Amino acid sequence: GQQVMQIPQYQHVQEGEDFTTYCNSSTTLSNIQWYKQRPGGHPVFLIQLVKSGEVKKQKRLTFQFGEAKKNSSLHITATQTTDVGTYFCAGRDGGYNKLIFGAGTRLAVHP
Amino acid sequence: DGGITQSPKYLFRKEGQNVTLSCEQNLNHDAMYWYRQDPGQGLRLIYYSQIVNDFQKGDIAEGYSVSREKKESFPLTVTSAQKNPTAFYLCASSTRDRRTYEQYFGPGTRLTVT
Repeated sequence: GQQVMQIPQYQHVQEGEDFTTYCNSSTTLSNIQWYKQRPGGHPVFLIQLVKSGEVKKQKRLTFQFGEAKKNSSLHITATQTTDVGTYFCAGRDGGYNKLIFGAGTRLAVHP
Repeated sequence: DGGITQSPKYLFRKEGQNVTLSCEQNLNHDAMYWYRQDPGQGLRLIYYSQIVNDFQKGDIAEGYSVSREKKESFPLTVTSAQKNPTAFYLCASSTRDRRTYEQYFGPGTRLTVT
């Protein structure tokens, strides 16, 4: 079945350093979504990418969707302690409504 | 306020007992989902429903059951057949609009079975 792999599993950075997490699918995706889960909380939607090669920015966060629509990345510039949490990608292969989540990347930021 | 509610937040049960987790939404969403999350792991889909009176198995449906009698409600029963029921259970909902599809999650229920 379809799989979505996400790396790294865990990363800790010093505050102010950049951070990137990568997501790879075994199949071509119709779109990809990113979610953030704070420690002890629930996932919260960040963004959806639909077009091949699409790049979207939200302040210090930059999201990319690969040209082949099989991979995606989330880059955070100059991390802050408020960025702490687990970032999940979730892909849809065209099937109606069902998302396949990656295992997530847990980000720790040291002040 | 619109949103998804799950109750209770923490639930403790003895092995061999069935337990039902509640999920209610007032977002007028057609689609609802149940996920299981284990420590340090991602979200695994248990069941999902795209419309009232219809639901489909996800990737790990064995030992679980659901019903969707009302648009607002999608309760999950963890049966005694589920071998490792202790986990964090998340309910979510979404529209069926192909332009969005973002899922809104409830606060979750932490189930401990001993």
